[in-house]
Amino acid sequence: QQPVQSPQAVILREGEDAVINCSSSKALYSVHWYRQKHGEAPVFLMILLKGGEQKGHDKISASFNEKKQQSSLYLTASQLSYSGTYFCGTSNSGGYQKVTFGTGTKLQVIP
Amino acid sequence: NAGVTQTPKFRVLKTGQSMTLLCAQDMNHEYMYWYRQDPGMGLRLIHYSVGEGTTAKGEVPDGYNVSRLKKQNFLLGLESAAPSQTSVYFCASSQGRGSEAFFGQGTRLTVV
Repeated sequence: QQPVQSPQAVILREGEDAVINCSSSKALYSVHWYRQKHGEAPVFLMILLKGGEQKGHDKISASFNEKKQQSSLYLTASQLSYSGTYFCGTSNSGGYQKVTFGTGTKLQVIP
Repeated sequence: NAGVTQTPKFRVLKTGQSMTLLCAQDMNHEYMYWYRQDPGMGLRLIHYSVGEGTTAKGEVPDGYNVSRLKKQNFLLGLESAAPSQTSVYFCASSQGRGSEAFFGQGTRLTVV
């Protein structure tokens, strides 16, 4: 099953913050976050493994709540370059790494 | 270092025609994946492979076949193309569980 992302779309002004959520109905082994700009391939942001860890990448960070089967991506002090569609991908705890992606959150940062 | 390369980048097919999409990676990755991307649907997994000679079905495997005869290549075949297969196809590879996936630039396929 695809993870569910919210919101579906968001518009920010430069410097504002945003949170994108990703939830699954199944137990998770890992959560993957990617950003895709229009007409391009998805680009890796970060991976979180079960254990509730939080990761950061410049002004983008993410958390993983294993018990709630949820992850959140935090974008602080947004820049124009943050615009794009953000996808979360999840893999469950059994077997091989089969990553299933959500439908994406379209983020637009305006001046 | 080319990463993940998809061939071709664009293709137009007539209904009922067949074709093969080629994905090649030069990172010695074990895992390879084929996704399709449609507006509003996100990335949906078609088939994947966890090593040379292995393949497995993803979420939307019907109408597609795959082969992984060599570790570096993952082929996606459409035996009888249908308009519903009009999409952008992405190939990806990763080293293993909990690893970053690297995506190719995509193949835009139109079936008329």
